[in-house]
Amino acid sequence: GNSVTQMEGPVTLSEEAFLTINCTYTATGYPSLFWYVQYPGEGLQLLLKATKADDKGSNKGFEATYRKETTSFHLEKGSVQVSDSAVYFCALRRVDSSYKLIFGSGTRLLVRP
Amino acid sequence: AAGVIQSPRHLIKEKRETATLKCYPIPRHDTVYWYQQGPGQDPQFLISFYEKMQSDKGSIPDRFSAQQFSDYHSELNMSSLELGDSALYFCASRSPRDSYGYTFGSGTRLTVV
Repeated sequence: GNSVTQMEGPVTLSEEAFLTINCTYTATGYPSLFWYVQYPGEGLQLLLKATKADDKGSNKGFEATYRKETTSFHLEKGSVQVSDSAVYFCALRRVDSSYKLIFGSGTRLLVRP
Repeated sequence: AAGVIQSPRHLIKEKRETATLKCYPIPRHDTVYWYQQGPGQDPQFLISFYEKMQSDKGSIPDRFSAQQFSDYHSELNMSSLELGDSALYFCASRSPRDSYGYTFGSGTRLTVV
C-alpha cells in the first residue's frame, strides 16, 4: 500500500543550526511528494512539493529532493530560525482518481534562540 | 485571497450527541477532502467529493456521513459521538486547474465530553 514514514520528534535545534527531517515513502506508481507545515492552532500549509524523480522542491530556505532510488524526500534547511518551530508533515499524493494526500506522522521542530 | 473556511472553529458535544461540521472551499474549487487529526497524530483521510459526488472513502466510521452541495460547500455529519471522536477535523479543497494545489482550512476542533 501507500504510506509515509517520518523521523520521530521532537527535533530540538539552536537557531542557525542545520535541519534535516527524514521522510521515506512506499507507493505504487510514481506519486507526487509534499512537505506541509502546521503552526499551533492553524491548518496545514504547503511548504514545498516535487512531482517527479530528481525534482527539488524549495521554499523559504527549505529544500527536499525526490529520490526514487531511495524512496526518500528528506527536508533540509541550512539555518533554522525560531519562527520555523512547527510540526512538519511529509505527504504523498496517490496516483488514482481522488488524488488524496497520505500523511506521515509529523515531526515537531523546536528552535531555541 | 479567499481561503478555505470551516465552521465552527470549536465545538463541544456530549457523548451520543450529533455534530455537523461545515467546509466552504475556495471559489471554483470543485474537490473537497475531509481529514481527522487526533491529538499528536497525523491527519487521517475520511472522505472526498468531486463535483458533488463522493470520489473516495477512507477510514470514516459508519456513524459519519458527508455530502457536497450545489455551491460546492461540504458538510460532515457525525452522530452518536464517542470520546474518541475528539479531534481536529480539516477540510481541503483543490482546483480543477491545479492538481497539486490543495488548500487546507484551519480546522474544527471537536471535543466530546
